Amino acid sequence: SAVISQKPSRDICQRGTSLTIQCQVDSQVTMMFWYRQQPGQSLTLIATANQGSEATYESGFVIDKFPISRPNLTFSTLTVSNMSPEDSSIYLCSVATGGETQYFGPGTRLLVL
Amino acid sequence: SQKIEQNSEALNIQEGKTATLTCNYTNYSPAYLQWYRQDPGRGPVFLLLIRENEKEKRKERLKVTFDTTLKQSLFHITASQPADSATYLCALGLDSNYQLIWGAGTKLIIKP
Repeated sequence: SAVISQKPSRDICQRGTSLTIQCQVDSQVTMMFWYRQQPGQSLTLIATANQGSEATYESGFVIDKFPISRPNLTFSTLTVSNMSPEDSSIYLCSVATGGETQYFGPGTRLLVL
Repeated sequence: SQKIEQNSEALNIQEGKTATLTCNYTNYSPAYLQWYRQDPGRGPVFLLLIRENEKEKRKERLKVTFDTTLKQSLFHITASQPADSATYLCALGLDSNYQLIWGAGTKLIIKP
């Protein structure tokens, strides 16, 4: 298993600004995922961030809008750039520790005004 | 088109009864299927995994079945308790890259 923390837990931002979300894991993991979850909706995968390689983005998500860093095996950041109200959501990071199971952080609740 | 469907309406169950949640999918051939629990304001928590060659999996009061012909998984909680109230998500695993395709979840409410 893995224990994951995220910062900030929530934020209210103005449109046009950027927010960087941090994800810290208590053990070294190769595979890390960033998701977005709208209220009452399923989790949508934004990108897979493996240490030592560029993040792989899913359809509809681009690096300019959601740049990701993965400097080591225990840490990653997701930046939401040039925000609009449509970016208001819960952002979750998760890790896979060698099996198919994913372990999630508590999420970052973002409101863009 | 590819879809994963879970009951969008909340499921209300009397304490002590068995709760059964459904996950249906179309146009996928998953290698495995997982169930997660999500409480308000928290990230999902893994409960059970069942592979395509398995019919049933149990863990304490939880049971999962997987019918690849019907393209359906059923998730059962026996002797349900108010503490079981949460949203339950199913997720399909398609291959070895560990990416999951998620359903929207079903909210379960266990009434005392």
